[in-house]
Amino acid sequence: AQKVTQAQTEISVVEKEDVTLDCVYETRDTTYYLFWYKQPPSGELVFLIRRNSFDEQNEISGRYSWNFQKSTSSFNFTITASQVVDSAVYFCALGRQAGTALIFGKGTTLSVSS
Amino acid sequence: GAVVSQHPSWVICKSGTSVKIECRSLDFQATTMFWYRQFPKQSLMLMATSNEGSKATYEQGVEKDKFLINHASLTLSTLTVTSAHPEDSSFYICSARDLGTGWADTQYFGPGTRLTVL
Repeated sequence: AQKVTQAQTEISVVEKEDVTLDCVYETRDTTYYLFWYKQPPSGELVFLIRRNSFDEQNEISGRYSWNFQKSTSSFNFTITASQVVDSAVYFCALGRQAGTALIFGKGTTLSVSS
Repeated sequence: GAVVSQHPSWVICKSGTSVKIECRSLDFQATTMFWYRQFPKQSLMLMATSNEGSKATYEQGVEKDKFLINHASLTLSTLTVTSAHPEDSSFYICSARDLGTGWADTQYFGPGTRLTVL
């Protein structure tokens, strides 16, 4: 079965704190894709990153970093020095073979207060 | 980058009427588009897969006669909610797969359409 679990429903932090959003996935496919999306109150999904199953390199983009570990089937997302503008719902998603729809986790609502 | 548009961005209609939502890929061709539904504070749930020139594939539990999908061209898919009822009120999001990316499957999401049925 294909499944994405985001165990953290809501997280609240104060500005400048670091925060990690967890994502655990299940799949029997050997080739798959993992994604993170941000959904601000406007509703539009903002693409953050895609990672292919054969590329376990961690990635850093500004204040964002991602830790992909196949051994634990996890793809965690860390925001360093959080800002109020980071407040949103964050979704982790799993993509199977090309051309199929994404399977989304339930999302984590991040609230950053000043 | 690739852009997917949706029209309208929001719509309010009376119970019993039909509403059409358009999803367009603006600068790429998409043989496959996906329709998702998102209820408040919930995740995106796949409703159907729309393939250009063929019938859509619906997920279990989604009424195909109620949610009509037409994918008449490589850049346009439409979702028609027929005889809408208040329980159909939701946020509908489409995504389109960019053919040009080959094996590196890339899907682009539209901005969503918020449907409110009174």
